[in-house]
Order: sequence, then structure tokens, then C-alpha cells
Amino acid sequence: DAKTTQPNSMESNEEEPVHLPCNHSTISGTDYIHWYRQLPSQGPEYVIHGLTSNVNNRMASLAIAEDRKSSTLILHRATLRDAAVYYCIKGFGNEKLTFGTGTRLTIIP
Amino acid sequence: DAGVIQSPRHEVTEMGQEVTLRCKPISGHDYLFWYRQTMMRGLELLIYFNNNVPIDDSGMPEDRFSAKMPNASFSTLKIQPSEPRDSAVYFCASSAMLGTGKNQPQHFGDGTRLSIL
Repeated sequence: DAKTTQPNSMESNEEEPVHLPCNHSTISGTDYIHWYRQLPSQGPEYVIHGLTSNVNNRMASLAIAEDRKSSTLILHRATLRDAAVYYCIKGFGNEKLTFGTGTRLTIIP
Repeated sequence: DAGVIQSPRHEVTEMGQEVTLRCKPISGHDYLFWYRQTMMRGLELLIYFNNNVPIDDSGMPEDRFSAKMPNASFSTLKIQPSEPRDSAVYFCASSAMLGTGKNQPQHFGDGTRLSIL
């Protein structure tokens, strides 16, 4: 089962929006798209998840392509505390989530 | 509300010794997961439980590793005998299954950093 594909790293300026892309071309009809992030020396932290419709919460927005083969995590106004590795995962949250290598996001002051 | 609690935070021991990692999931959560993270292999799922029953242990590296969940509020991951290649950060996570069956996020502990000398 192929994992998702994300850029290894990205940089963004502080206080600007960040768009983190993810490709999941082999996604099945029942797979959710989950985003987690891992700050330095901490465990992964849930960010957001969705199935078909775009989703918003206090942390971020998730834009899902109409064919569901790709998605974008949007941080509306990046802060230094958003510097982390962001993981895009397809699957069912209560069961196996396969973490890839993620995108290392650097925030430039 | 307390999060997932793992102990110890750090463990350094000599190869051949038994290592026991502990996890207290969030109260009311009925799924518990054990992960291992290394630079080489990233974050790997080792085993997960539902209602204290192991569901999938296909990620457990070998017989030296064992995990138990004697009750809903406690789980252990044991390595016996330990080897240097077991050095990693071990994370425990828990999640809840709502009545509708909608999947819920996994909540991770801060991990146990294990060093086997």
C-alpha cells in the first residue's frame, strides 16, 4: 500500500500563510486524510483530518482535491512555534496510520 | 484533562538487560498504540490494542519484544533481552472510538528515549 508523497522540506516567512502539499493517488474510498505534526523532542500532535470536504479548525485548514488524490494543509499565519515535521497520512485514525518522512517546515523570522 | 503518560522519559541500560516501558492512556480511550522512532526508519507502528486486546502486532520486530494491556488504564512494552539496535524513542498513543464509529485522532505521549549500551 503506497504511502503519501510530500516534499522533504519547506520554508516560510513568519506571519505568512503556508501551504503544505500532499499527494495520495492510491487513496481508497474509505481512507481519511490525516495531518499530524511533530515539534522537536515531542510526540506527534494531531492537526486535522478530512474525508472529502474541506475542513477547518483552530489550528489549520485542509483543502482536499475533488478527486481526493491530493490535499493541502494550510496554516493561515505561520509562527515560529509552527516549525515542525508535518506528516500527511491516509488511513483510518483508530487503526493503522503509516507515518512517512513528512515535510520539515522551517519558519524564517 | 491529562494526556497520555509515559514512563520513564529516559532509560539507559546495558545490552542483555530487560527493559519495561509504561503507558497510561487517556481515560475513556479504547485504542492504544505503541510506536518506535529512529532516524533510519522513522516512526513505525509496533502494535495496537482495542479494548485491551491486541489487534495487530505485525510491527513488533521480533520475539524479544512483547506488549501487554492488563486493563484499560495501563500498558507495557517489554524488551528482553535488549540490544543496542533497540535504541530509539518509543511513543505510546491512544484514541477513542465514538459510538458512530467515526475515527478519532491519536493522542501521543512525550515518549521514552531508550539507549542500550
